[in-house]
Amino acid sequence: AQSVTQLGSHVSVSEGALVLLRCNYSSSVPPYLFWYVQYPNQGLQLLLKYTSAATLVKGINGFEAEFKKSETSFHLTKPSAHMSDAAEYFCAGLMDSNYQLIWGAGTKLIIKP
Amino acid sequence: DTGVSQNPRHKITKRGQNVTFRCDPISEHNRLYWYRQTLGQGPEFLTYFQNEAQLEKSRLLSDRFSAERPKGSFSTLEIQRTEQGDSAMYLCASSLGRGLPSYNEQFFGPGTRLTVL
Repeated sequence: AQSVTQLGSHVSVSEGALVLLRCNYSSSVPPYLFWYVQYPNQGLQLLLKYTSAATLVKGINGFEAEFKKSETSFHLTKPSAHMSDAAEYFCAGLMDSNYQLIWGAGTKLIIKP
Repeated sequence: DTGVSQNPRHKITKRGQNVTFRCDPISEHNRLYWYRQTLGQGPEFLTYFQNEAQLEKSRLLSDRFSAERPKGSFSTLEIQRTEQGDSAMYLCASSLGRGLPSYNEQFFGPGTRLTVL
């Protein structure tokens, strides 16, 4: 079955430290993969997407993600965390549908001063 | 502002009442999606419109739920005889779909938070 799994419901990092949010997928077909961010009381905003072109994808706000087929992963990273990065992050995938996103449960990123 | 808008932002109702939510997509977008999101979970797909046609409905969408997009522009989601389990954030998204295999980014509205007492 198609699925997206995010490891860790909460991740806490110090300001200035590396951010690493993990996402693994299960799909019988090559997926399109996405990272969205959700700030409190706001809608979801697309950070970046993988659509079978370059495996290293750069997004907004200094985030990037690397698609690794051998590891079925699409982890999100940022070299240096900022207080404004505190939010909930969702990984999602398009597997055998061109419109129905399959979502991970989300990871809440906490930034310590 | 030309983003996706949703109204109301919050709705508190008593069990058994009917509620209706509205979504106004980005004007040139032909695809519209409804999702439900409960605390600590990712969004769950409910239904999808291409123009005015409802092309897919999740099994989560019981017969108490109905969605319409009468003129291919705004959409409404109605829940009849609400239950406490319906309490959630209801998200609407839109995209400019241009067929397989391309994907167009789904733009999300701020959501309607429903509380059923």
